[in-house]
Amino acid sequence: NAGVMQNPRHLVRRRGQEARLRCSPMKGHSHVYWYRQLPEEGLKFMVYLQKENIIDESGMPKERFSAEFPKEGPSILRIQQVVRGDSAAYFCASSTPGQGLNTEAFFGQGTRLTVV
Amino acid sequence: GQSLEQPSEVTAVEGAIVQINCTYQTSGFYGLSWYQQHDGGAPTFLSYNGLDGLEETGRFSSFLSRSDSYGYLLLQELQMKDSASYFCAVPLHSSASKIIFGSGTRLSIRP
Repeated sequence: NAGVMQNPRHLVRRRGQEARLRCSPMKGHSHVYWYRQLPEEGLKFMVYLQKENIIDESGMPKERFSAEFPKEGPSILRIQQVVRGDSAAYFCASSTPGQGLNTEAFFGQGTRLTVV
Repeated sequence: GQSLEQPSEVTAVEGAIVQINCTYQTSGFYGLSWYQQHDGGAPTFLSYNGLDGLEETGRFSSFLSRSDSYGYLLLQELQMKDSASYFCAVPLHSSASKIIFGSGTRLSIRP
């Protein structure tokens, strides 16, 4: 089991460009969660998705940010027109339908986004 | 709303014991988890308490008191590799749901 795979590990974008972050959940997991972590801070919930469905996006900024989890392929977190304040580590976690994240959440290694 | 409070930094000596406290305030409660994160790494699960009491896993133990809305992580026989950030976390619902994380406690270990 390869675990939760995120790519790229590091991403550098100029202000105004788009950033696409990918997350492939663990085999058998159909729920994906995205978190953002600023330096020296905790993880902030952004969005919770199931296949083809957004369950909870209460942590997503209202503009420029979107997420999807298509029937086939990885989950994508998309940030349009990036600004310096978007620089952070973005983590993806996955779980199975019956498990949720109540006990153990499996995290990917994260994507470190740097906006220059 | 939901909030979790934990100390921002703790320093301890190699071989010693350290306790990291966490107090929480949530509209519902479905358990308290602990995660470890090394610099530049991913958060990794350490423990989960759904009921009051102590859960022990090797050198690490976690305690929960639901009446006090309080828990702690106890690390024994500290090793240099235990230097990391430790987060307490709570799920918001009883089944598949998001987890809310505390701001983390940075544990520094001296030789």
